[in-house]
Amino acid sequence: GAVVSQHPSWVICKSGTSVKIECRSLDFQATTMFWYRQFPKQSLMLMATSNEGSKATYEQGVEKDKFLINHASLTLSTLTVTSAHPEDSSFYICSARDRTTMILDEQFFGPGTRLTVL
Amino acid sequence: QQPVQSPQAVILREGEDAVINCSSSKALYSVHWYRQKHGEAPVFLMILLKGGEQKGHEKISASFNEKKQQSSLYLTASQLSYSGTYFCGIPGSNTGKLIFGQGTTLQVKP
Repeated sequence: GAVVSQHPSWVICKSGTSVKIECRSLDFQATTMFWYRQFPKQSLMLMATSNEGSKATYEQGVEKDKFLINHASLTLSTLTVTSAHPEDSSFYICSARDRTTMILDEQFFGPGTRLTVL
Repeated sequence: QQPVQSPQAVILREGEDAVINCSSSKALYSVHWYRQKHGEAPVFLMILLKGGEQKGHEKISASFNEKKQQSSLYLTASQLSYSGTYFCGIPGSNTGKLIFGQGTTLQVKP
């Protein structure tokens, strides 16, 4: 149980294009999902908290208009990197909290999406 | 507010022990531990919820000293499969978000 999937696993795109990354909780409902970015040999940096049915909460320094987050259902959150540039190349990872065990604060991570912007 | 992990890197031989520490500048009510293999997503190891709590799974255990605002991860008789980067995470707010330490890279050699 508690499986989170991400799609795509990797993507290569040209500078200036937009890329959408999906995060799904496969066997549980997630009222809250989190989006992280990780550069090589660095820690996971939280970008935003995605809540089902409401606007995402972005961390300081993260551009809302560049990283669009939509949490349309209890099992799906999407991150769209708009007008991507080479500096946006990174490993993007989502995680989700099971609404039935939220008290434990446990997060289940997706496998990650490697974005390369040429 | 990012927790501080030490050491930054450890190299061990199979069968040796290691300790990874995680310290916070603010009060803690829980600590999470994850392991990440290269190119993969982090994998949950355990959560410690109470001061003084200790947990373990096989030969990996952890303790949580609430008063000292720190947690330690103990890897006993390390195996090759223990290699990876270990992160501790602490709650950033009551929204459930986690703030991760900078990571400790563990390499176990035969």
